[in-house]
Amino acid sequence: ILNVEQSPQSLHVQEGDSTNFTCSFPSSNFYALHWYRWETAKSPEALFVMTLNGDEKKKGRISATLNTKEGYSYLYIKGSQPEDSATYLCAFITSSGYALNFGKGTSLLVTP
Amino acid sequence: ETGVTQTPRHLVMGMTNKKSLKCEQHLGHNAMYWYKQSAKKPLELMFVYSLEERVENNSVPSRFSPECPNSSHLFLHLHTLQPEDSALYLCASSQEPDLNTEAFFGQGTRLTVV
Repeated sequence: ILNVEQSPQSLHVQEGDSTNFTCSFPSSNFYALHWYRWETAKSPEALFVMTLNGDEKKKGRISATLNTKEGYSYLYIKGSQPEDSATYLCAFITSSGYALNFGKGTSLLVTP
Repeated sequence: ETGVTQTPRHLVMGMTNKKSLKCEQHLGHNAMYWYKQSAKKPLELMFVYSLEERVENNSVPSRFSPECPNSSHLFLHLHTLQPEDSALYLCASSQEPDLNTEAFFGQGTRLTVV
């Protein structure tokens, strides 16, 4: 079992606040790191797939960074909106693996 | 809509029943997956199929039996389940099993074993 740790477990912010989450993973045999957003009663949807150390990706107000040498990734949300409320999942795959290893997720609630 | 459809969305079954979960994707993907999510736990991989061949069986009890008749369909056959098998079962697909591109998930089947 390959442990993926996400922190914080949950987060409650006000509309307009910026926030960030952390994902930690084993740094050996790294292949790819995925971030997903999972809204209640919907399917998890991919935000980013990152493969290179130092990768930075951005989609609107959401961005992510990757450090494969030390085994962590950050997800940032700038100017949080209520529609950002969801669980954010991090998952990684090793070079010898066939499937994603998920963390427990960070549950974000953004209130107006 | 992610392009991955799971049926049924909800299922209640007794411990002596036999039922099947169905997953369908028309994205042209070559790999399909079953994941299980129990309360307070991360998504746990159950099975991986690549080009209709099972490539990973993650120590899943034999009361769960997967079937992949073609690259667009994946089933999970259930028999003599236990109450602790109650969980959300998610299907996913990806272009290739090496997952350097995103996976697409269904909405899941919420299973309750009584």
